[in-house]
Amino acid sequence: EVQLVESGGGLVQPGGSLRLSCGASGFTFSSHWMSWVRQAPGRGLEWVANIKEDGSEKYYVDSVKGRFTISRDNAKNSLYLQMNSLRAEDTAVYYCARAEFLSGYFGSVFESFDYWGQGTLVTVSS
Amino acid sequence: QTVVTQEPSFSVSPGGTVTVTCGLSSGSVSTRNFPSWYQQTPGQAPRRLIHSTKTRSSGVPDRFSGSILGNKAALTITGAQADDESDYYCVLYLGSGIVGFGGGTKLTVL
Repeated sequence: EVQLVESGGGLVQPGGSLRLSCGASGFTFSSHWMSWVRQAPGRGLEWVANIKEDGSEKYYVDSVKGRFTISRDNAKNSLYLQMNSLRAEDTAVYYCARAEFLSGYFGSVFESFDYWGQGTLVTVSS
Repeated sequence: QTVVTQEPSFSVSPGGTVTVTCGLSSGSVSTRNFPSWYQQTPGQAPRRLIHSTKTRSSGVPDRFSGSILGNKAALTITGAQADDESDYYCVLYLGSGIVGFGGGTKLTVL
């Protein structure tokens, strides 16, 4: 059974940093792209970042570029999100998701998020 | 910046049919955007319903179907049930590793 378990959320002051982790089990972690998706309180879902199986490609939503870094450790079956210079608008539940990408002539193409963790809450407030 | 659009809300009677659409602020949605649809109930993680435009995920009832209607992706629920009352999100691939979520559609069954 595929399981994704996030941790590391909490209360942080504006301008502060936080590192989220996602432990994966039940599948070959090193064979899958992974993603972070967030949801602000009472709001919709927002894609944050994608990382390729070997970590060689990373993509971010514009609002977090230069502040957040997605990474992975395939030996530990773990995904991470380093969040720096946090702002109030980063307050959200952060979900780890397994992303299905298709390989083709033009490279890798996103197909869908097939498994999700239960999320971890990040609150940015003074 | 391209925005993914959805109807904010819909209401359907039990047993009725409803179609939620997913568009782009500029351009048309096609199968090359690999539309996918997710259901989310309050306090829960999203659950994938449909991927690659029309492929149902394992365990998803066949009353849920996906398609391209005109220049948008569409999720149709035929024979809506009370426990279909949820938020529904579409996701589109926007190219260059970028993914876009629609704003979500709150479905009421009454």
